[in-house]
Amino acid sequence: NAGVTQTPKFRVLKTGQSMTLLCAQDMNHEYMYWYRQDPGMGLRLIHYSVGEGTTAKGEVPDGYNVSRLKKQNFLLGLESAAPSQTSVYFCASSYALTGEVRGYTFGSGTRLTVV
Amino acid sequence: GENVEQHPSTLSVQEGDSAVIKCTYSDSASNYFPWYKQELGKGPQLIIDIRSNVGEKKDQRIAVTLNKTAKHFSLHITETQPEDSAVYFCAVSGNTPLVFGKGTRLSVIA
Repeated sequence: NAGVTQTPKFRVLKTGQSMTLLCAQDMNHEYMYWYRQDPGMGLRLIHYSVGEGTTAKGEVPDGYNVSRLKKQNFLLGLESAAPSQTSVYFCASSYALTGEVRGYTFGSGTRLTVV
Repeated sequence: GENVEQHPSTLSVQEGDSAVIKCTYSDSASNYFPWYKQELGKGPQLIIDIRSNVGEKKDQRIAVTLNKTAKHFSLHITETQPEDSAVYFCAVSGNTPLVFGKGTRLSVIA
């Protein structure tokens, strides 16, 4: 049981290039999230999804787009990478039971450097 | 939106001593308060959580206490061991995604 899998684990981009980060979960979780982690800043929410075909903006959505075409996958896209997007990106998933969110599970992260 | 403050940012303790990390939050509607441990190069892992209908929860050497009136909650680690060294994050949510504190780097000195 893999849980939450992120690919790639590392990537170096040049300013202006584009890329897509893939997150896959095998727990049949309804909710999925993308966070970025920067030194001294904790984890900040970029975008999230409450179900297949739905997405919503988080705290720091600018410069990113997302798609949730299948329940198990959540894609994070950078259309034109900037050095400010150098960060470690974490995907997470969760489910709800009797109205309570449960089972937040994180992937191992993608370390992205934009030069 | 929700604002979570976490203190201290760094904490060093001698092996066997206790460690306490505190978080405050702003939204009185928040009802879920987890704590995560993050080791170098890995994703955050849930170590304990508490919901708003409970004041304290224990799991072996780890405990979390919640004061909803004052809007703060704390992580307590007793009998610390070198393997407890990591970054710890508190988080808060209501009907919205988790909002995280900025983290506490705990160092347990043998």
